[in-house]
Amino acid sequence: TQLLEQSPQFLSIQEGENLTVYCNSSSVFSSLQWYRQEPGEGPVLLVTVVTGGEVKKLKRLTFQFGDARKDSSLHITAAQPGDTGLYLCATSYNFNKFYFGSGTKLNVKP
Amino acid sequence: DAGVTQSPTHLIKTRGQQVTLRCSPKSGHDTVSWYQQALGQGPQFIFQYYEEEERQRGNFPDRFSGHQFPNYSSELNVNALLLGDSALYLCASSLGITSNQPQHFGDGTRLSIL
Repeated sequence: TQLLEQSPQFLSIQEGENLTVYCNSSSVFSSLQWYRQEPGEGPVLLVTVVTGGEVKKLKRLTFQFGDARKDSSLHITAAQPGDTGLYLCATSYNFNKFYFGSGTKLNVKP
Repeated sequence: DAGVTQSPTHLIKTRGQQVTLRCSPKSGHDTVSWYQQALGQGPQFIFQYYEEEERQRGNFPDRFSGHQFPNYSSELNVNALLLGDSALYLCASSLGITSNQPQHFGDGTRLSIL
């Protein structure tokens, strides 16, 4: 059983569409991080959410942490080809031991 | 401001050999974590080094070992390489070992085992 389940696994959409990807768990977390990874590069941190119910916005990206701190979502408005990449959620447990989900691979077609 | 740098970028080895990968953390960071990322998967935590000691370890065999130097740089060593060790090896640096510290990743070393 995965600690963090991400869905969907793959997503292919047209430029301008909206999308939501999910990160779920049966465990409660003190915080959750979202990263984007482009081919040939390391993951880049997008945001950290800490408080249950918290909503953070980063331009066209909206991140939400569930009230019970067991799940999180990432919503992208008007997707652009530059949003293409692997979106990963991650959390730390047992004093800074990190765990990543398997990711959502997003392809935005022009 | 130099980010996390890893060397080499690519490496090809054969089964049974040994390999050493290197990482220099982002300027000002003192903690280094290593991850293995198989194709199509998320990174898997190998271990973390702080103050030259291994502080946390993931579910990896003893064939995987590491070291941190006084200048905070780090090495990952893998002995008796297996075909399944083929992956992207990522290094991440952060400041301290408290939770929620943002990690900065390098672009990784692509290791291929023949």
